[in-house]
Amino acid sequence: QQQVKQSPQSLIVQKGGISIINCAYENTAFDYFPWYQQFPGKGPALLIAIRPDVSEKKEGRFTISFNKSAKQFSLHIMDSQPGDSATYFCAAERPGTYKYIFGTGTRLKVLA
Amino acid sequence: EPEVTQTPSHQVTQMGQEVILRCVPISNHLYFYWYRQILGQKVEFLVSFYNNEISEKSEIFDDQFSVERPDGSNFTLKIRSTKLEDSAMYFCASSEGAGDPYEQYFGPGTRLTVT
Repeated sequence: QQQVKQSPQSLIVQKGGISIINCAYENTAFDYFPWYQQFPGKGPALLIAIRPDVSEKKEGRFTISFNKSAKQFSLHIMDSQPGDSATYFCAAERPGTYKYIFGTGTRLKVLA
Repeated sequence: EPEVTQTPSHQVTQMGQEVILRCVPISNHLYFYWYRQILGQKVEFLVSFYNNEISEKSEIFDDQFSVERPDGSNFTLKIRSTKLEDSAMYFCASSEGAGDPYEQYFGPGTRLTVT
């Protein structure tokens, strides 16, 4: 119930392509879903986040799509660039708690 | 831009020894967290801390672990008697408030190796 399942584990995309990373959850009490980007040797950094009252949120080349009924959400990276090569984590938070439940991470490599 | 800092970047210790991992959160932040990431696995929540008290802790955070804010700037994680399975990257995070819209800012991590 507390898990967030993330796929794929790794992803290789050509420069200019679309990268898609998917997450699914069971606990309907989760109400905040951030995506974090982590470069080697660095801590995770917030990329974009969404609440379940919207179905989509876009910031630049990054879009979160949210399907509340399916309990799934995904990150789309449009026009993927080599500089986007990193590990991406989805996460979820229950209201009134002080912790994020992270997915297992997706290692993205964008080929030049 | 303000950032969370952590020291040391890498700590090697022998099983059974005590270690203290140090963090300096962003100065106006009030909530502090420790997470860990075993190599190749997901980031796992350990503990959150607010107003000099633990707000929430996971089942991983047993009696071997403790946290402290010894002064106005540092936040520490102590592992009393390290085990091999404590080998992981430990991330400190801080936030201005709790929950959305307050982002948790993560430090670069301390890699703990227990031999």
